[in-house]
Amino acid sequence: DAGVIQSPRHEVTEMGQEVTLRCKPISGHNSLFWYRQTMMRGLELLIYFNNNVPIDDSGMPEDRFSAKMPNASFSTLKIQPSEPRDSAVYFCASSYGQGRTNEKLFFGSGTQLSVL
Amino acid sequence: DQQVKQNSPSLSVQEGRISILNCDYTNSMFDYFLWYKKYPAEGPTFLISISSIKDKNEDGRFTVFLNKSAKHLSLHIVPSQPGDSAVYFCAASARKSTFGDGTTLTVKP
Repeated sequence: DAGVIQSPRHEVTEMGQEVTLRCKPISGHNSLFWYRQTMMRGLELLIYFNNNVPIDDSGMPEDRFSAKMPNASFSTLKIQPSEPRDSAVYFCASSYGQGRTNEKLFFGSGTQLSVL
Repeated sequence: DQQVKQNSPSLSVQEGRISILNCDYTNSMFDYFLWYKKYPAEGPTFLISISSIKDKNEDGRFTVFLNKSAKHLSLHIVPSQPGDSAVYFCAASARKSTFGDGTTLTVKP
């Protein structure tokens, strides 16, 4: 079991540049979540998909952020243009089910994003 | 408005003793609670969970207690081991999981 795979592990970019984070969920899982971890706000849910459909994107901070899930095995989180306050660790997680409350999440190792 | 709070940022215990990590929540709609453990440079991993219809769930050295009237849950680790040193996140779910800020546990040999 390869687990949830995120790439890149580290990303350093300059303000104004486009950033794309990638995630491959565990095979067979049908829910996918994007979280952001910062010192100020802790672990916050940005968006989650169920069966490749975005269900709740209320955590997406602003229009600069977008997420897609073109198929069951791949998702992207894009920031365009990036700003220094976007610097954080971004986690992708997947689960099996309908996005119900009792589903445990399997997290990837995260992408450490630094926007200079 | 932080709905899930872990008021102790850190906890240090001696190997072999009990570790008690606490979590408080405000939203009475939460019906499922989970604990995750996180090592540096890794994502959180699921540890143990409890449904709101129960008040206790045990899995080996780990026990979670839920007090719904007080909106409080705790994670007990007995006996604590140095390998338990990590950040522990409490999460509460009502369709989606809301995480606390975490408690860093250090178990000293």
